[in-house]
Amino acid sequence: AQSVTQLDSHVSVSEGTPVLLRCNYSSSYSPSLFWYVQHPNKGLQLLLKYTSAATLVKGINGFEAEFKKSETSFHLTKPSAHMSDAAEYFCVVSDYDYKLSFGAGTTVTVRA
Amino acid sequence: DAGVIQSPRHEVTEMGQEVTLRCKPISGHNSLFWYRQTMMRGLELLIYFNNNVPIDDSGMPEDRFSAKMPNASFSTLKIQPSEPRDSAVYFCASSRRGGEETQYFGPGTRLLVL
Repeated sequence: AQSVTQLDSHVSVSEGTPVLLRCNYSSSYSPSLFWYVQHPNKGLQLLLKYTSAATLVKGINGFEAEFKKSETSFHLTKPSAHMSDAAEYFCVVSDYDYKLSFGAGTTVTVRA
Repeated sequence: DAGVIQSPRHEVTEMGQEVTLRCKPISGHNSLFWYRQTMMRGLELLIYFNNNVPIDDSGMPEDRFSAKMPNASFSTLKIQPSEPRDSAVYFCASSRRGGEETQYFGPGTRLLVL
């Protein structure tokens, strides 16, 4: 069975400083892993996807994530936060089919 | 590409009324998903269609909920009769082939049942 744990429910950063969102997963297979972002009153937008091609995945808007099998982690980072990064972020795992397991979400606030 | 289109974006209705939510998937995608998002339960898969056929409806809460996909470019989710506990954001998503293909989400319909 697959599951996802997002280790922080809230992250607050200053504009221009790095962002780190932590995600651990559990999977019986070689999983696909995703990060989605949801801005207030908007739908979920795909930031990036890991599918075993490369352990460091680059996404949109300067985000990237590193897959670490030994640690069962898929943390999301961005070197310099922007005010527009304020949103909720979901780590998602898919074992082998269409069923996605969503993390509880991490709310990011960016201080000016 | 226009992305996944949902309508209406907001719906306010009274308990007992019928509610119909609509979705147009991305052209060329043959898999469609309906999700519900609430504070208490997060995102839940309600139903999955592949090539217009319902494959998995195990997430549909009860008989008050029904979903159809009459063709490749249109799907509806109907609640009849609606109840206050149905208040949530309902998302439609589509993917190219199902399986582990990336799912692309629509903007959602925010439903409030009074």
